[in-house]
Amino acid sequence: DGGITQSPKYLFRKEGQNVTLSCEQNLNHDAMYWYRQDPGQGLRLIYYSQIVNDFQKGDIAEGYSVSREKKESFPLTVTSAQKNPTAFYLCASSALRLNTEAFFGQGTRLTVV
Amino acid sequence: QQPVQSPQAVILREGEDAVINCSSSKALYSVHWYRQKHGEAPVFLMILLKGGEQKGHEKISASFNEKKQQSSLYLTASQLSYSGTYFCGTQGGSEKLVFGKGTKLTVNP
Repeated sequence: DGGITQSPKYLFRKEGQNVTLSCEQNLNHDAMYWYRQDPGQGLRLIYYSQIVNDFQKGDIAEGYSVSREKKESFPLTVTSAQKNPTAFYLCASSALRLNTEAFFGQGTRLTVV
Repeated sequence: QQPVQSPQAVILREGEDAVINCSSSKALYSVHWYRQKHGEAPVFLMILLKGGEQKGHEKISASFNEKKQQSSLYLTASQLSYSGTYFCGTQGGSEKLVFGKGTKLTVNP
């Protein structure tokens, strides 16, 4: 079955450590997105990519980094520079057309301990 | 750049209707609507495109005013399963998909 998979579901990180969240899709989608969700803030765009080896910053990219070496994969690294990383992170993908919906992964809940 | 949604929250009794609004300060090519249950992934409801094309669920309706960059989602004869947080997402020419802060809908028996 086609879909988008995020792992792990829960992640705990010590302050000062970098951590990488995985996002893989087998939908043959060109576009992939990372969103951060905090209570009352909705879904805020961190990074997005429309093609392999290319990506753009979203509204809250500071303290995060991404790579897009393969069409299927779009990992997000939360660096130690991110001052408040505890949040729910959602990855999404879509075809590169305006009349198509985005498909979301089940999310990763990151907690800094 | 987030689109603005209103209201922030609404409480209904089963069978009542609700309207959720979404507006943007930028010219839009498409508006997406999603519903999210707590702790789960958002689920697609509908897309509305500039020019009038729509794609989505039969039981949910929406409108898109291109001149005003506004969209409204209409939930009629609400059911308990309609409870959740509704998000609108907008796309301009860059195809970047940006979401609003959400509207929390609670349907009570």
